[in-house]
Amino acid sequence: EVQLVESGGGLVQPGRSLRLSCTASGFTFGDYAMSWVRQAPGKGLEWVGFSRSKGYGGTTEYAASVKGRFTISRDDSKSIAYLQMNSLKTEDTGVYYCTRSSSSWYLYFDSWGQGTQVTVSS
Amino acid sequence: EIVMTQSPATLSVSPGERATLSCRASQSVSSNLAWYQQKPGQAPRLLIYDASTRATGIPARFSGSGSGTEFTLTISSLQSEDFAVYYCQQYNNWPPLTFGGGTKVEIK
Repeated sequence: EVQLVESGGGLVQPGRSLRLSCTASGFTFGDYAMSWVRQAPGKGLEWVGFSRSKGYGGTTEYAASVKGRFTISRDDSKSIAYLQMNSLKTEDTGVYYCTRSSSSWYLYFDSWGQGTQVTVSS
Repeated sequence: EIVMTQSPATLSVSPGERATLSCRASQSVSSNLAWYQQKPGQAPRLLIYDASTRATGIPARFSGSGSGTEFTLTISSLQSEDFAVYYCQQYNNWPPLTFGGGTKVEIK
C-alpha cells in the first residue's frame, strides 16, 4: 500500500524557516516525481513545487509565489522528500500535502499524504 | 499561466440524481486534465486523469469527458459519500501546475 506521511509542520514566526518531510513507503520512491501542494484555510489547492525522479535529472520546479524561498530535495535512499521553507510569510499558512506523480512530465497526483499544518504568525 | 475556472461554485443535488460539474481552461490543455475529490478534513483523492480515465478503485458512476478547454465531470447517481468538493487540475503547460477553484457538491 502506498503511504505518504508528512511531518515537521507547526507554528513559526514570519521570516523564520521550517523544513517539512514526507516519508514514503509501499513503492519505489526513486522512480517517481514528488510534489508539494498546499491549501490555505478555507481555500482551494495550490501547487508549490516538485522534484523529478533522478532518472529525469532530479530537477525541480516551483510556483512563482515560493520561488527563491522554498527548496525541494529528496533522499531516495531513505524514501524521503523535503520542503525547506525560508523567509516564511503569513500567506504561507495552510496545510501542506506531499503528493506522488507516476510521470515526471504528466504531473497529476495519484497519491497524497494526510497533510501537515503550517501556521505563520507572530 | 493557465487559469482553470470551475462552475458552479456550489451544486445542490439530491441523492440518486445526476451531477454535472464543469471546468474550463484559459487555453487548450489537450486531454491533460485531472479531477480530484476532497472531503472535509481529508486529503484530496485522484478520481480521473487524462480527462476521462478513472483512477484505480474509482467507481464507474464517475466519468470525465472533454478536451481542449472544456471539461466535464459527471457523477451518474449521487451516493451519500459523494458529497464533497471537486477540483480540476491541468498538467499540460507548466510550471505552474494549476487547479480550479473547486465545486462543492451538497445535499439538496
